[in-house]
Amino acid sequence: NAGVTQTPKFRVLKTGQSMTLLCAQDMNHEYMYWYRQDPGMGLRLIHYSVGEGTTAKGEVPDGYNVSRLKKQNFLLGLESAAPSQTSVYFCASRNTDTQYFGPGTRLTVL
Amino acid sequence: GENVEQHPSTLSVQEGDSAVIKCTYSDSASNYFPWYKQELGKRPQLIIDIRSNVGEKKDQRIAVTLNKTAKHFSLHITETQPEDSAVYFCAASDTGFQKLVFGTGTRLLVSP
Repeated sequence: NAGVTQTPKFRVLKTGQSMTLLCAQDMNHEYMYWYRQDPGMGLRLIHYSVGEGTTAKGEVPDGYNVSRLKKQNFLLGLESAAPSQTSVYFCASRNTDTQYFGPGTRLTVL
Repeated sequence: GENVEQHPSTLSVQEGDSAVIKCTYSDSASNYFPWYKQELGKRPQLIIDIRSNVGEKKDQRIAVTLNKTAKHFSLHITETQPEDSAVYFCAASDTGFQKLVFGTGTRLLVSP
């Protein structure tokens, strides 16, 4: 099992550009999550999904969109990137209690 | 909604000493409290968790205690080693247990 994987690992964008981050899990988990991690602010939930075809807003959803068309994939989109979206993005999935995190994507918006 | 506060933000100890990190939560309905360890440049990884029907749980050198009345829980690491140096996050489940709310993290530095 690969567990939770994220693509890409690193990305640099210019202000106003768009991109999609891909999260994939092979553990058949129902729940999936997108977090951003900024220094001194811990892990903040952007959006989450409780099953295929469902999404819900988290703590900091503005400027992001998500889709869960397949159970194993959870996509995070930035339509018009802003410097404030420079961060490390983590995806996670869970079935019962434990959340398993992906390796992260480091995004820089210039 | 749930709010989790974590203290201290940084903690420096000598190898062999004990370390204690404390968290408080606001939602009395929360029933699951995990602790994650994150090494520099790596993903957070679960090290121990506790449910609200248990007051204490231990796994080798680490233990977690929960006081539901006071709405706080703590991580205890005994006989600390340099490899324990990392950022530790506490979290609490929301009502309905759809998501976790994380504390802001504690940077633990263990000096040889």
